[in-house]
Amino acid sequence: AQSVTQLDSHVSVSEGTPVLLRCNYSSSYSPSLFWYVQHPNKGLQLLLKYTSAATLVKGINGFEAEFKKSETSFHLTKPSAHMSDAAEYFCVVSFNDYKLSFGAGTTVTVRA
Amino acid sequence: DVKVTQSSRYLVKRTGEKVFLECVQDMDHENMFWYRQDPGLGLRLIYFSYDVKMKEKGDIPEGYSVSREKKERFSLILESASTNQTSMYLCATAAGAMPNEQYFGPGTRLTVT
Repeated sequence: AQSVTQLDSHVSVSEGTPVLLRCNYSSSYSPSLFWYVQHPNKGLQLLLKYTSAATLVKGINGFEAEFKKSETSFHLTKPSAHMSDAAEYFCVVSFNDYKLSFGAGTTVTVRA
Repeated sequence: DVKVTQSSRYLVKRTGEKVFLECVQDMDHENMFWYRQDPGLGLRLIYFSYDVKMKEKGDIPEGYSVSREKKERFSLILESASTNQTSMYLCATAAGAMPNEQYFGPGTRLTVT
């Protein structure tokens, strides 16, 4: 079965320290992969996407993600967290053309 | 900028009522989607449409129907609302060939009592 798993439901970091959000997928194919962010009471916004080009993908607001086919992972990182990064993050996988499969989400809290 | 608007931010309905959720986009996108978002479950696709009058079931279509009479408007219909349909409903649009970036509306928080 094809699925996407976000390994942490909640991540808490101090401002200025690195952020790591983990995502694994299960698929027989090479999927398209996305990370979306949802700030409180706001709609979802695309952070970055991987569509079989470079395995290291750079996104907005200093985020980046690395596609590792051997590990079926697409972890999201940021070198230095900012208070404005507090939000919910979704790893999203497309196993076919139209449907996106969303992970359960990771809530990020940033401590001052 | 792509603008996706949803008819209501908050909605309270009674069990058994027929409920209409409207979504309008201004970017001439071919594809439109309806999701529901529940804590711990992420977003789940209810229905999508890749052209006017065309629709496809998503992962959880039971209890819902959709209508797309014009390219810019995609409606989600709850024929007879039930309490287990209390949720956040998100509309999204995308251009061209999929998979592609989806643009989301602000959501409608529906409470069925």
